[in-house]
Amino acid sequence: DTAVSQTPKYLVTQMGNDKSIKCEQNLGHDTMYWYKQDSKKFLKIMFSYNNKELIINETVPNRFSPKSPDKAHLNLHINSLELGDSAVYFCASSQDKWSFTEAFFGQGTRLTVV
Amino acid sequence: DAKTTQPNSMESNEEEPVHLPCNHSTISGTDYIHWYRQLPSQGPEYVIHGLTSNVNNRMASLAIAEDRKSSTLILHRATLRDAAVYYCILYYSGGSNYKLTFGKGTLLTVNP
Repeated sequence: DTAVSQTPKYLVTQMGNDKSIKCEQNLGHDTMYWYKQDSKKFLKIMFSYNNKELIINETVPNRFSPKSPDKAHLNLHINSLELGDSAVYFCASSQDKWSFTEAFFGQGTRLTVV
Repeated sequence: DAKTTQPNSMESNEEEPVHLPCNHSTISGTDYIHWYRQLPSQGPEYVIHGLTSNVNNRMASLAIAEDRKSSTLILHRATLRDAAVYYCILYYSGGSNYKLTFGKGTLLTVNP
């Protein structure tokens, strides 16, 4: 079984559309994250949830909204997509609230906005 | 925020040791040093972490300078599967305060 799974793996969409990326972890972890990796491969944290509570919210446009229906799921919804949103988005999870140790990452979702 | 500096790329031969350096001269006393790696077309994978003392695990060793301004990730016997981008990361958390600083990573090429 995949520890952290994201869907879809690839997403191609037009500017202005709204799209969602889903993430699920079966590790029993309390904390989940969303990261963005741009074309230069630089990895930046976007959000973190602990037991459905938002605990990290980096400077991200309001068009990005995370949703955590339960602690095993953290979805990312993006409104009014822009060309600059094209990137690879990674979901991750870790056991502790403020621990980055041994975070498990998903395979990534490559988003292309045309 | 403290920053990390890594070489853009390094090359190694299979079954030889690899020493991947990271400079973090502005590290503060409570920053943990983490290393992750990212294989092609995959998500990052945890490798090792430490605070002050050298650390060993099944994947690698982490050597931390006495002044903590630099560290070295050591792969004892590189294999082709170790070819990846290696990230040196500083992490601090104190309750609701945290900081997470990614380096730009070192692309490790392993030659057969």
